[in-house]
This record gives sequence, C-alpha cells and structure tokens, in this order.
Amino acid sequence: AQSVAQPEDQVNVAEGNPLTVKCTYSVSGNPYLFWYVQYPNRGLQFLLKYITGDNLVKGSYGFEAEFNKSQTSFHLKKPSALVSDSALYFCAVRERGGNKLTFGTGTQLKVEL
Amino acid sequence: EAGVAQSPRYKIIEKRQSVAFWCNPISGHATLYWYQQILGQGPKLLIQFQNNGVVDDSQLPKDRFSAERLKGVDSTLKIQPAKLEDSAVYLCASSLGPSGGGTYEQYFGPGTRLTVT
Repeated sequence: AQSVAQPEDQVNVAEGNPLTVKCTYSVSGNPYLFWYVQYPNRGLQFLLKYITGDNLVKGSYGFEAEFNKSQTSFHLKKPSALVSDSALYFCAVRERGGNKLTFGTGTQLKVEL
Repeated sequence: EAGVAQSPRYKIIEKRQSVAFWCNPISGHATLYWYQQILGQGPKLLIQFQNNGVVDDSQLPKDRFSAERLKGVDSTLKIQPAKLEDSAVYLCASSLGPSGGGTYEQYFGPGTRLTVT
C-alpha cells in the first residue's frame, strides 16, 4: 500500500529565511508526487508535481521540490519565506498506473516577521 | 475559469439524521473525487468517478454513505444516518484526463464542514 509521511507537524521560520517542509513516501512502483497548500476555510491548492525527468521541480509562488529516489523523499523548499506562505502543506503520492492519491497528515508552516 | 463549486459550506446535524452535499466540477473535467478530511489528518479518498461510472469506492462506508454522478457532471454525496465520527470536511475535486495512470493534478473545491452533534 502506498503511504506518505510528513514528520513535522509544524515548521517555524523567519521571513526572508529559506524553508524546507519534509516528505517521504512509500509506493511499490515509480511515483507521481504532489504538493498542495491549504489556507484556512479553503480547499487544497496545487503547488507542484513530479512526474518524470528533472529531479528539481519548480512550482507556484516560488516553491520548488526535489525528488530523491534513493531516499524516497520529496521535500518542499523556498529560498526566501514570506509571512503569506503561512498555511497547511500536504504532500501526496500516486503510483504510476494507479488511481488513488494518498495524502500525508500535513505540516503547518508558520512564517514570522 | 470557474473552480470546483460545493454547497453547503457548513452543516450542523444531529446524529442519526441524514445530510447531502453537492459538487459541481470544473467544466470538461471527466474525473470527480470525494474526500473526507478529519481534523488533523490529510484528505482520504471516499469515491472516484470517471464520467458517471465509479472507478474506486473501496474506502466508502457503503452502509451509510452513498454518492452519485448521474449525468457525468454534478455529484451528490449523502450520509444516512450520520454518526459523530462523520464530523469532518468533505472535499470535492476534479481533474482533466483519464483516471488510471493519469498525471493530471486535482483541483479542489472549498469543502463542506460537517458537524454531527
């Protein structure tokens, strides 16, 4: 069965500093990997995805993520955090050829002045 | 482009009552999903439709939950009778493209927050 682990319930970072939100996955075949963001009382918004090719994926709002097959990780990164980046971030995995998208439990990002 | 629409946004019911949620996906999106998001957890897929056919309902509690997508567009999710543990946000999502093996990202609606008392 496929699964996603987000080991940190919350990440705190100062505005202007780089941020990393961690994600590891488990899937029997090759994965499709996704990051979504959720603001309060809003649905999930797509940030970026890894399908194939370059391990470094660039997405919306300056976010990027690096696929590492040997470590089965897909960490979300941003070089300079903004207060407006404060939200709940979800990593998700889907096995190639499969139907189901499995989400992690989410990481609350708090960016402070 | 209009996003995924859901209604109502909030609903409070007593246990053993019934409730229905409505979803209108993005125009042209063939695949529609219903997720349950319990507080502190990630969304869990309840059911997935491809046009008006069910692709995956393995995690749908079929003794109390039902869903339909009769004309391949709008969808309704019903709970009857509701239990306390059904309190959650119910998210609808849609995607363009085939369900199996597709790489298309899913677009989510704002969700319906259900409280069962």
